[in-house]
Order: sequence, then structure tokens, then C-alpha cells
Amino acid sequence: QSVLTQPPSVSGAPGQRVTISCTGSSSNIGAGYDVHWYQQLPGTAPKLLIYGNSNRPSGVPDRFSGSKSGTSASLAITGLQAEDEADYYCQSYDSSLRGVFGGGTKLTVL
Amino acid sequence: EVQLVESGGGLIQPGGSLRLSCAASGFTVSSNYMSWVRQAPGKGLEWVSVIYSGGSTYYADSVKGRFTISRDNSKNTLYLQMNSLRAEDTAVYYCARDVGTTYGSWFDPWGQGTLVTVSS
Repeated sequence: QSVLTQPPSVSGAPGQRVTISCTGSSSNIGAGYDVHWYQQLPGTAPKLLIYGNSNRPSGVPDRFSGSKSGTSASLAITGLQAEDEADYYCQSYDSSLRGVFGGGTKLTVL
Repeated sequence: EVQLVESGGGLIQPGGSLRLSCAASGFTVSSNYMSWVRQAPGKGLEWVSVIYSGGSTYYADSVKGRFTISRDNSKNTLYLQMNSLRAEDTAVYYCARDVGTTYGSWFDPWGQGTLVTVSS
């Protein structure tokens, strides 16, 4: 049971838009802490995708975007591509638990 | 190039000890916050421990009292000493630079991970 809640899976056809939600509480996201997102391709280490709620590191396509509101955050992927098929994790900070992650969402490109 | 390379994983019996290493290049470990994050087989990510640039350390409740995070500044290397290992500690262990701000922190980059298997 992860501190942050994500849907176990989402799917979409190539070219479509998908969103992944991340719900926290008043001790983490709702306390004003930023949300970050990671992409984990099969058999590889996680890679930073979005930091500070909506910022993309250099090299991350602008098809990926993040937002935060209240105790929740979302990752949006537009123009879905086959190479986007991966697990996605949200992460924040909790005042009592420190680093906290969502349970992960498996994205399937149909 | 900023890079992290873990080593030291393997098969260990319950109750045993293991020390993981994480060699950094392209940046200075002692000037940064550094964390360990683990991932049990088929499961999600779990933050394990952090060491701040000032030397303060913090642990997840699941490993507190059993694991110790440290660093060797001369080797630019991060360590995780794991004692009293349990089956539930079986996971891939990643080290990561913990980029902190007033509003929390994120992990970047990550090492490739090292597998620890606790089994008799």
C-alpha cells in the first residue's frame, strides 16, 4: 500500500492522449510539496521525467507534461508512441515519511 | 557525464549482512544529498535512506536500526550497510542523487541497480 495512489494501468492507441493520476494527502502533496514523475522502461532503472510538478529535464519530449492541484497531480502524455510503453511512478515528500512514491502505473500502447 | 554505478548485491541468507557500494562520477557525493531506493521483484519503488551533505542520515521505518548509509569522500562513493537481512529485503537497490529544494526533492540520476536476494 503506497502512500501515493496511482491507477495500476492505463492504455491508449498510438497518437492518443493519456493521463495518469497521483493522489496524496495533507501530509505530502497537499502540504505543498512538489510532485515528480519517473519513467521505467522494462528491465531498466527509473528515469526522471518531470520534476517540480511540471518541469521537464533536458531531453524529455514536450509530449510529456505534469500538473498539480490540491492533494493530487497528473502526468499527461500526448501523441502516444510505442516507445512510451513503460511503468510510470509519481513521487513526493511526506513530512513524516520523507520520500514517498506511488504504486506505479503500467502504460500499454495498443 | 554524471553517473552512478552500484555493486555488492548477491544472494545472502536471512540474518546475514551485505554492503552495497555506489560509485559516483561527474559530481561530488559529499556535496549532495544521496539516497537509496529499492524495488522488490514485480513491485513499486520504496525510498530506503538518505544522507545529507552535512552528514545527517534518515531511514525508512522498514530498515531503521538494521541499515546504515554512509559515504567515503576520498572515493566519491556511497554505501549501504545492511544487517539482519530478511526475505522482505529482497529487491533491486538503486542509489540516486537526491536533488533537494524547499518543496521536497527528486531523484536524478539513478544507478543501474544491484539485486539483493535474501533466501536460505
